[in-house]
Amino acid sequence: DTAVSQTPKYLVTQMGNDKSIKCEQNLGHDTMYWYKQDSKKFLKIMFSYNNKELIINETVPNRFSPKSPDKAHLNLHINSLELGDSAVYFCASSHIAGASETQYFGPGTRLLVL
Amino acid sequence: AQSVTQPDIHITVSEGASLELRCNYSYGATPYLFWYVQSPGQGLQLLLKYFSGDTLVQGIKGFEAEFKRSQSSFNLRKPSVHWSDAAEYFCAVGRNNDMRFGAGTRLTVKP
Repeated sequence: DTAVSQTPKYLVTQMGNDKSIKCEQNLGHDTMYWYKQDSKKFLKIMFSYNNKELIINETVPNRFSPKSPDKAHLNLHINSLELGDSAVYFCASSHIAGASETQYFGPGTRLLVL
Repeated sequence: AQSVTQPDIHITVSEGASLELRCNYSYGATPYLFWYVQSPGQGLQLLLKYFSGDTLVQGIKGFEAEFKRSQSSFNLRKPSVHWSDAAEYFCAVGRNNDMRFGAGTRLTVKP
């Protein structure tokens, strides 16, 4: 009965590879997010999707491409991985898009680029 | 510039002692304010949130926070800390369609 799930939990890969992280929520929420947490624990929003449509796209390299096949899924594809991409990536969801909405977070995907 | 500041990077308290974690924000209007907790290796969990009304907000796990408009602060408190409270705590501000987080405060609990 996991609310927001991410796969894989850990991902170790070489520079230059392409990888994807999957996120699924079973809360019936309309809005999903991707965050990056760096080694200093700083959390920064990357993308936000509402009903499969992009509503926020922060200054993120275009090597990062989110894909939302349906409301319950928001996957993150990363091309040509770089050392600086090493971080923990969190998926989150909320009932609707809005500043007052509580976000529910997944457990995170720990990406290490060698 | 709009920002969320958590002045304390790391705090250590003894088990049973009281706790206060500081959070300051700088936004034009009163934003929506949240506190999240992140246990080691876990995602973030909402502790409490403030939108309007009573400035003292009660949350889960015995936490509370007080909104002070004059100080642009939303500090988190707990009267008696338990060893299981050791975690990273994030203050966040809801704005537009997203949420902006502070840098976090790591709480260590001494036996």
